[in-house]
Amino acid sequence: NAGVTQTPKFRILKIGQSMTLQCTQDMNHNYMYWYRQDPGMGLKLIYYSVGAGITDKGEVPNGYNVSRSTTEDFPLRLELAAPSQTSVYFCASSPAGRGGTDTQYFGPGTRLTVL
Amino acid sequence: GESVGLHLPTLSVQEGDNSIINCAYSNSASDYFIWYKQESGKGPQFIIDIRSNMDKRQGQRVTVLLNKTVKHLSLQIAATQPGDSAVYFCAGIGSARQLTFGSGTQLTVLP
Repeated sequence: NAGVTQTPKFRILKIGQSMTLQCTQDMNHNYMYWYRQDPGMGLKLIYYSVGAGITDKGEVPNGYNVSRSTTEDFPLRLELAAPSQTSVYFCASSPAGRGGTDTQYFGPGTRLTVL
Repeated sequence: GESVGLHLPTLSVQEGDNSIINCAYSNSASDYFIWYKQESGKGPQFIIDIRSNMDKRQGQRVTVLLNKTVKHLSLQIAATQPGDSAVYFCAGIGSARQLTFGSGTQLTVLP
């Protein structure tokens, strides 16, 4: 299993541009999550999904959108990039909801800079 | 609201010594806790977890202790090695099965 994969690894955006961060997991997990991590800080939850077709807001959803059309994929969309969105973005998945644990498994991250 | 925090942002230990990283939480309803290790430039990596019906759990060279009375948990690393240098996060599961992360402790292993 590749686990959780994210693309791209790095990206620089100009203010007002849009982009989609891709996340795929091959562990057949129902639950998926998007976090952002600012320098020296812990992770903050942006959006999460408990299954295909279901998404919900986390702690810091403003400026982002998500969709979950398949179990495997959970893309994160930035419509109008702002400097405040400069961060490292992590996707995670969890076997929770199928009798599995709540342990979340993380991808390698996408480092985004908005100038 | 829920919060999970750590006592010290940095910790330095000599190679071979034991390390203890502490964490406090505020939500009494949290029933599951996880310790993650994050190396520079990488995503968080699962180390060990513990459910609220336990007060101790051991893994390979790591032990997590949970004190629900004072809402405190700790991660103990035995015989700390250079490869243990990383940022360590505790995270708690609260409502809606969401993880709340602390701000992390940077562990530095000195030769």
